[in-house]
Amino acid sequence: GNSVTQMEGPVTLSEEAFLTINCTYTATGYPSLFWYVQYPGEGLQLLLKATKADDKGSNKGFEATYRKETTSFHLEKGSVQVSDSAVYFCALSGRNRDDKIIFGKGTRLHILP
Amino acid sequence: DVKVTQSSRYLVKRTGEKVFLECVQDMDHENMFWYRQDPGLGLRLIYFSYDVKMKEKGDIPEGYSVSREKKERFSLILESASTNQTSMYLCASSLRGRVFGGYTFGSGTRLTVV
Repeated sequence: GNSVTQMEGPVTLSEEAFLTINCTYTATGYPSLFWYVQYPGEGLQLLLKATKADDKGSNKGFEATYRKETTSFHLEKGSVQVSDSAVYFCALSGRNRDDKIIFGKGTRLHILP
Repeated sequence: DVKVTQSSRYLVKRTGEKVFLECVQDMDHENMFWYRQDPGLGLRLIYFSYDVKMKEKGDIPEGYSVSREKKERFSLILESASTNQTSMYLCASSLRGRVFGGYTFGSGTRLTVV
């Protein structure tokens, strides 16, 4: 079945550091891929998505590229801020009508000032 | 702005109580979902619904039930609350057949059962 594996946290970085959170997936066909972010005490928000191979999703300085050859969708940001401290979830969905989104377990990110 | 609204942010209930968690969306979405979130376990799907009066079990339905009498409202019911149901509960919705658009989540209800 479909699954998502993302790096375990917590990840701790200093402000302005480069961020990478790794995500790989297993799926049949051509899934859609997502990154969600959860700020403290909040629900999940869609951060970015990509629906086909080689697509790059981007938002708020974050980027992720859909790599079918490596089945990966790594999240990157060139210069993180304290306000980026949150939990990040990688996720995928199939293309059938009633497919559901499969979430990774989340990676907690701490940014130190 | 489109919204999924969960009725309570924080809730404290006693063991054995019947608990209702309410979720309302204003986007005319067919699909609605209930998850619980626990440290180290990520999101686990409890129940979901593709339409009014429809419900499907997710991965961990034991101890829970749901009600969907109107399209915009999806209620999660803990028939007899227990301490192991202390958790963060998240509601989400989406358009049917357009899951590639992602889910819209509510802000969550943190339930403590004492």
